[in-house]
Order: sequence, then structure tokens, then C-alpha cells
Amino acid sequence: RKEVEQDPGPFNVPEGATVAFNCTYSNSASQSFFWYRQDCRKEPKLLMSVYSSGNEDGRFTAQLNRASQYISLLIRDSKLSDSATYLCVVNGPNNDMRFGAGTRLTVKP
Amino acid sequence: DTAVSQTPKYLVTQMGNDKSIKCEQNLGHDTMYWYKQDSKKFLKIMFSYNNKELIINETVPNRFSPKSPDKAHLNLHINSLELGDSAVYFCASSQDPPARGNEKLFFGSGTQLSVL
Repeated sequence: RKEVEQDPGPFNVPEGATVAFNCTYSNSASQSFFWYRQDCRKEPKLLMSVYSSGNEDGRFTAQLNRASQYISLLIRDSKLSDSATYLCVVNGPNNDMRFGAGTRLTVKP
Repeated sequence: DTAVSQTPKYLVTQMGNDKSIKCEQNLGHDTMYWYKQDSKKFLKIMFSYNNKELIINETVPNRFSPKSPDKAHLNLHINSLELGDSAVYFCASSQDPPARGNEKLFFGSGTQLSVL
């Protein structure tokens, strides 16, 4: 079983749609959780951290369920500029930041 | 000022050659990483160093040897390059010890290695 698993997609949605990505992790000792965004041929960049209580940043909402070892990202009112690959990242006890394979999103006009 | 810089950006070389990729961060971070992103776009951790000491060494062929002369630098040397080594290699850094909000990874812009 991979340490961090994501649905690879691709997700093709129209502008204005709401889309949700899921991620599961295998190491119950994992300490912190993130969503990163990667545009084609660019380095990954932090989108948001994921806190146990859930957190929101504009159109983006992240949720964490430690009991189920599950993380989610919800994007509301999708924009064309949201098209990218979204990477789930889990930080283990050794500060070993591990990435999921990424979920590719394309937002169409 | 670039926070994490790696050179070269592109590296094209023949099988069997030895090459190095350099990485430097000016953020004062204690932890540095090398990641490999293959053609399937999966970003896989290779190594991490904390204050010049090796912390993580994934199942990577011993042709790959990281070197950290000081905590601001983590270079990657690759011996006897093979076709399968072709990928994008990303250097990254983060602050340590981990604390809420401090684990953010800062990436270099990547080195695209092509082995012919």
C-alpha cells in the first residue's frame, strides 16, 4: 500500500463547478498535512495546510479525519486558473514530507 | 532573491556519465530534501538532511550520493547515469523542528535530467 494515495483523475469540470479531492495516508503517526499545487513544468507550491478542525481559505476548504486517515480538498466556484495538479502531502515523524501521486484538474470554459 | 536555487536547470548527458546537481537555500532552514519526479509525475522523496546529517535515505541506488557541506547546501551526485534516471529532480527545504505551520516546503525550480 502506498503511503499517500490519491485519485489521479483527471477531473474535467466546467467553470463555476464544485470539485472535491480525496487522499488517504497509511502512517497513523503522521503529524501534519498539506495540499500543494503544481502547474505544468513548475515546482510544487503550498496551497494550504490542513488542520484537524478543518480550515478554509477563500474558495478552498480542507478537512482532516485522523481516525480514518483521510484528507480532503474542496474547491468551490472553480476558475480556469485552478487547472493544475493537486498534491496531497503528509509529514511523518521524521519530517519526511511524502507526496501523493497528484490529482489532475482541468477547468473548462 | 531566490529562496531555493538549484543548478543546472537542464542537464542532457550520455549513459554512463557522472553528473552533479547543486542546491542552495538562503532561508536559514535546517532540513533539505531531494525529490525525483518521473514521467508519470509522481514526486518521490529520495533523501533528506537535517543540519548536514542524513535523515532519510529511501530505496535509491547507491549511484546517487547526496553531499551536504553545510546546512544551506545539498548537492546530488549521480554516477554511471542510466536511461531510467531521466526525470525532473527537485530540491526543497523546510524549517525544523516541525511545528504548526513551519513544515512548509520551499522548492527549487527543478533540474530536468535527460540521459541519452
